Amino acid sequence: RKEVEQDPGPFNVPEGATVAFNCTYSNSASQSFFWYRQDCRKEPKLLMSVYSSGNEDGRFTAQLNRASQYISLLIRDSKLSDSATYLCVVNLSSASKIIFGSGTRLSIRP
Amino acid sequence: DVKVTQSSRYLVKRTGEKVFLECVQDMDHENMFWYRQDPGLGLRLIYFSYDVKMKEKGDIPEGYSVSREKKERFSLILESASTNQTSMYLCASSLRGGYTEAFFGQGTRLTVV
Repeated sequence: RKEVEQDPGPFNVPEGATVAFNCTYSNSASQSFFWYRQDCRKEPKLLMSVYSSGNEDGRFTAQLNRASQYISLLIRDSKLSDSATYLCVVNLSSASKIIFGSGTRLSIRP
Repeated sequence: DVKVTQSSRYLVKRTGEKVFLECVQDMDHENMFWYRQDPGLGLRLIYFSYDVKMKEKGDIPEGYSVSREKKERFSLILESASTNQTSMYLCASSLRGGYTEAFFGQGTRLTVV
């Protein structure tokens, strides 16, 4: 089983739609969680950290469920510029390892 | 502004060549990572290092080695390049600890012919 699993998509949704991505992780000792965004032919960049209480940044909301070992990202009122690949990331601090999911591709259509 | 710099954006090498990919970070980060990214497979961890001269195998270390002689520099070595090592290689660094993000270099697209 992969340490971090994501639905690869692609998700193809109209502008203005709400879209949700899910991610599961296998190591219960994982300490911190992130969502990264990667544009075509570019390096991944941090979108937001994910905290136990859930956190929001504008149109983006991230949730963590430690009991189910599950992370989610919700994008409201999607824009054309949101088209990218979204990567779920887990930091296994005990091993100094940062593990990436394979990414979910999102395409927003006009 | 934080910076992770990879020595080349594009490289073309011949099968059997020894290839060095260099990565330098200026953030005094303890941890450094090498990933490769292939379509449909996402980022896969090759090796990482949590201190100078320390290294740990990731998920796909076969055919690769690494070197970390100085804190700011982490090198990935392909001992004898093969065509199945054609890929995008990404270097990243982070602070030690469980609550830190990783910062990436711009990537090196390596083609082995």
